[in-house]
Amino acid sequence: SQQGEEDPQALSIQEGENATMNCSYKTSINNLQWYRQNSGRGLVHLILIRSNEREKHSGRLRVTLDTSKKSSSLLITASRAADTASYFCATAGGFKTIFGAGTRLFVKA
Amino acid sequence: NAGVTQTPKFQVLKTGQSMTLQCAQDMNHNSMYWYRQDPGMGLRLIYYSASEGTTDKGEVPNGYNVSRLNKREFSLRLESAAPSQTSVYFCASSEARGPYNEQFFGPGTRLTVL
Repeated sequence: SQQGEEDPQALSIQEGENATMNCSYKTSINNLQWYRQNSGRGLVHLILIRSNEREKHSGRLRVTLDTSKKSSSLLITASRAADTASYFCATAGGFKTIFGAGTRLFVKA
Repeated sequence: NAGVTQTPKFQVLKTGQSMTLQCAQDMNHNSMYWYRQDPGMGLRLIYYSASEGTTDKGEVPNGYNVSRLNKREFSLRLESAAPSQTSVYFCASSEARGPYNEQFFGPGTRLTVL
């Protein structure tokens, strides 16, 4: 049973455009995290937002969290070809962190 | 610092064979985790170790055993491999005793069971 579900499953954009990915979850959480996975590699942590936060920024990344709707979004601004990867949201409501199935982002140069 | 290392990178087994996947971290983290990743799915937690000397089942523990050998090392054992265990296995570690901190991942072990 997966907690987070990303939308869309796949996204293809031109370099320089913004990319938005959404995550929905089902139960209460302590925090929500976003990770990136390049092809054939392990996951890399991008950003963590706590349940009492609504928005967080890190470089070209902007994450929002709406606990009333049990949803989060990840915005990547001015995308680059190097942003091509899969992006996962992960929710932590107890000790265990539950990962969604991911959004595959392809940025065309 | 090497971070989280895993061995081997690739492995092919026949049904019924056994093997141990090794994981080590050099960040002095308390918690360590084993996940599997199947095509089109996110990571699913197999086992975790909140701290040295403790291990607990995750979402999909059947067919696996783990050992937290010391603070640095956390191994995953398949006693009798099955084709359903064909997957990519990731080890991860985190600093805190809990989910509040980020997890650091190893590069993965790609396992095929014939």
